[in-house]
Amino acid sequence: DQQVKQNSPSLSVQEGRISILNCDYTNSMFDYFLWYKKYPAEGPTFLISISSIKDKNEDGRFTVFLNKSAKHLSLHIVPSQPGDSAVYFCAASGSTGSGNTGKLIFGQGTTLQVKP
Amino acid sequence: EAGVTQSPTHLIKTRGQQATLRCSPISGHTSVYWYQQALGLGLQFLLWYDEGEERNRGNFPPRFSGRQFPNYSSELNVNALELEDSALYLCASSLSVGGWDNEQFFGPGTRLTVL
Repeated sequence: DQQVKQNSPSLSVQEGRISILNCDYTNSMFDYFLWYKKYPAEGPTFLISISSIKDKNEDGRFTVFLNKSAKHLSLHIVPSQPGDSAVYFCAASGSTGSGNTGKLIFGQGTTLQVKP
Repeated sequence: EAGVTQSPTHLIKTRGQQATLRCSPISGHTSVYWYQQALGLGLQFLLWYDEGEERNRGNFPPRFSGRQFPNYSSELNVNALELEDSALYLCASSLSVGGWDNEQFFGPGTRLTVL
């Protein structure tokens, strides 16, 4: 049961253009969402997050949008740079009736290639 | 400020042996999490430790266990290794416990190979 889905395994964009990475989720109990970037042979690096009470969060070139009704979030990178080439994971965190589960549920990842 | 550190970087074991993986969290972080990333699969949640106690575990058999020490470092033990345990094991730490802002910061991982 894949609760967090990244339906595009890969994305290729030109340097300077916008990169849009998408993520869908199924569990309405998720209340916090995160994006991570991962290079080969390294651990994921935290990029940006958003809580379910917001619909947008911006940090420099990175903006995350959340559409709760559609259970969809997206990460926009503007402008894209060759150094952004990596695998991007979205993750969701949720609470149960007894509190924080501590667990992040990850999507399968999208490989972004930014061409010079 | 030092990030999350893990040791060893690589570990090679044979089927049936035990593996011990170690993790040191970011200074000031009290929660430690373990994830498995098997080849071709996403990151799967294994365990969460906070203040020395196991708070939650993922859908893994009991031969995956661990502990957290008083200095908040953690150990993951995998007993009776099977070939499918070959994976990248990632440790993460976080500052917030109980809150919804669960930003976890990851270490570089330990690559476990079971022959």
